[in-house]
Amino acid sequence: KNQVEQSPQSLIILEGKNCTLQCNYTVSPFSNLRWYKQDTGRGPVSLTIMTFSENTKSNGRYTATLDADTKQSSLHITASQLSDSASYICVVSPHSGNTGKLIFGQGTTLQVKP
Amino acid sequence: DAGITQSPRHKVTETGTPVTLRCHQTENHRYMYWYRQDPGHGLRLIHYSYGVKDTDKGEVSDGYSVSRSKTEDFLLTLESATSSQTSVYFCAISRDSTYNEQFFGPGTRLTVL
Repeated sequence: KNQVEQSPQSLIILEGKNCTLQCNYTVSPFSNLRWYKQDTGRGPVSLTIMTFSENTKSNGRYTATLDADTKQSSLHITASQLSDSASYICVVSPHSGNTGKLIFGQGTTLQVKP
Repeated sequence: DAGITQSPRHKVTETGTPVTLRCHQTENHRYMYWYRQDPGHGLRLIHYSYGVKDTDKGEVSDGYSVSRSKTEDFLLTLESATSSQTSVYFCAISRDSTYNEQFFGPGTRLTVL
């Protein structure tokens, strides 16, 4: 069964510190892997998207890495800010035609404290 | 929110009543999706549409129906709401399903008493 597992489930860090969120998936083959940020009470917003052939993708202070061999991805946040407090969702798109049926992880809830 | 609106944003209803949620987009994207989000679960696909009058089921479609009579509108109907359908519902759109760049709306919080 295609699955996406994220860890940790939740994380608390101090403002200015770095952190790394993990995503393991069993989806194969896959078209792309993306990371979304979801603020409380809002819809998810895309941070990065990587195809299976890409190893890393950055978006400002957010850097995503992908290891297709081990089926792992990580999202690294540098110099965290209070506004980074949110849920971060790893999403994998199976390579299964044009159905658009994404597979979502349950998310990691990040809290950045002053 | 990428030109996507959802209405209503909040709704409280009683078990057994019909409920319709509306998603409206101004992006002229071909694909539209309805998801539900519950604690302990990732976002789960209910139904999606790949064009006017073209729809298909997702993984949690039981108890839900959809309609798309115009490119810009995608309706989700709960024919007879149950407490298990209490959830936050998100609409999403994408231009090209192969690329799967999906943009999400602000969500509708539905409570079924």
